[in-house]
Amino acid sequence: SQKIEQNSEALNIQEGKTATLTCNYTNYSPAYLQWYRQDPGRGPVFLLLIRENEKEKRKERLKVTFDTTLKQSLFHITASQPADSATYLCALGSGYQLIWGAGTKLIIKP
Amino acid sequence: ETGVTQSPTHLIKTRGQQVTLRCSSQSGHNTVSWYQQALGQGPQFIFQYYREEENGRGNFPPRFSGLQFPNYSSELNVNALELDDSALYLCASSLDASGRETQYFGPGTRLLVL
Repeated sequence: SQKIEQNSEALNIQEGKTATLTCNYTNYSPAYLQWYRQDPGRGPVFLLLIRENEKEKRKERLKVTFDTTLKQSLFHITASQPADSATYLCALGSGYQLIWGAGTKLIIKP
Repeated sequence: ETGVTQSPTHLIKTRGQQVTLRCSSQSGHNTVSWYQQALGQGPQFIFQYYREEENGRGNFPPRFSGLQFPNYSSELNVNALELDDSALYLCASSLDASGRETQYFGPGTRLLVL
C-alpha cells in the first residue's frame, strides 16, 4: 500500500539557520506534491506545489525539491525564524485525492 | 484567514448518535473536500464534492455521507458514531477538482465521541 514518511520526531533548529524537512514515499507515483503548514488547533495552510516534471520550486524563504527516482521531497526554510515553528505536512496527489504524511513538528529556537 | 469557515468548533457526542458538521467555502469555489485528522496524524481523505455531486471517496464506510449546496456550503453527516470517529474534521475548498489547485482549509471541527 501507499506509504508516506515524515520525521516523526520534532526538529529543533537555531534561529537564522536553514531547516530541512524530508518527505519519503513508497508504492506511489504522484503527479504532484504539496507542502502545508499546520498550527495547533488550525487547518493546514498551503505553502508550495511541485509537479513530477519539476526538480525545484522556490517561494521567498521556502524551497522544495522533488526527486521521483529517490521518491523523496525536501522542504527547506532559510533564515528560519521562531514564527516558522509549526507542523509541516507533505501531501501527494495524482488526480483529486491527496495522500498525507503525518507531519514533522519544527521548533525554531531564538 | 482562508475564508473557509466551519461549525461548530467543538462537539461532544455519544456512541451511536448522529452528527452533522457544516462548512462554508470560499465564494466561487465549486469543489469541497472533507478530511478526518486523528491526533498526531495527517488528514485522511473522506470524500470530495464537485458542483453538488460526490466526485470521489476515500476508504470510509457509507455511514459517512455529505451534501454540497449551490451557495458554497456543504455538510458532513456521520451516522452511528463510533469511539474511533473522535478526530478533527476539516473541510477544504478549491477552484476545481483537479487536485492541482490550492486547497483552502477551514479551522476544523473537533469531535469527541464518548
